[in-house]
Amino acid sequence: AQKITQTQPGMFVQEKEAVTLDCTYDTSDPSYGLFWYKQPSSGEMIFLIYQGSYDQQNATEGRYSLNFQKARKSANLVISASQLGDSAMYFCAMRERVTGGGNKLTFGTGTQLKVEL
Amino acid sequence: NAGVTQTPKFQVLKTGQSMTLQCAQDMNHEYMSWYRQDPGMGLRLIHYSVGAGITDQGEVPNGYNVSRSTTEDFPLRLLSAAPSQTSVYFCASSLGQGDTEAFFGQGTRLTVV
Repeated sequence: AQKITQTQPGMFVQEKEAVTLDCTYDTSDPSYGLFWYKQPSSGEMIFLIYQGSYDQQNATEGRYSLNFQKARKSANLVISASQLGDSAMYFCAMRERVTGGGNKLTFGTGTQLKVEL
Repeated sequence: NAGVTQTPKFQVLKTGQSMTLQCAQDMNHEYMSWYRQDPGMGLRLIHYSVGAGITDQGEVPNGYNVSRSTTEDFPLRLLSAAPSQTSVYFCASSLGQGDTEAFFGQGTRLTVV
């Protein structure tokens, strides 16, 4: 079973509109973290936002917010007031603990977002 | 701030050749990891290290070796390159188990012909 599922291979949004990118996850670890990364066409991975499993409030970072619904195991990214520069691939990832004191990130397959005029 | 530095950025290898992808971080992070990115598959964990002298396998470790002799460096070795190892490779580091951000290098695009 997929640990991180992103069901939207591609999305289009009009400039200045809001868009929601979906992410669902599956884990039995009560302590986990959820990340969103942006990958523009240049290829680098840019950290956007983080949500811890024990955080009571939804994370926000500027125009990015994470709609965290723990019971539904979803962690959707909301981008408000989309800009042309938001066009990129977006990855959802989950951090889980591993034996030995480390952790690992498991990534979804990504959503390609295109912002149109 | 240098952050996480990967070298080289691009590499073409012939089948059977060996090479080492370099990764260095200057943030004194304990945790380092290597991922490969293939089209339609997101990033998959190859190997990781929770500190100097400690490494472990990730999801797709076959064909790759790692070592961690210092906190700063975490090289990835391909002993005998195969076309299936054509991919983009990312190195990442973070402070530790509860860290709220993983820092990524710029990536290495490797082609095996």
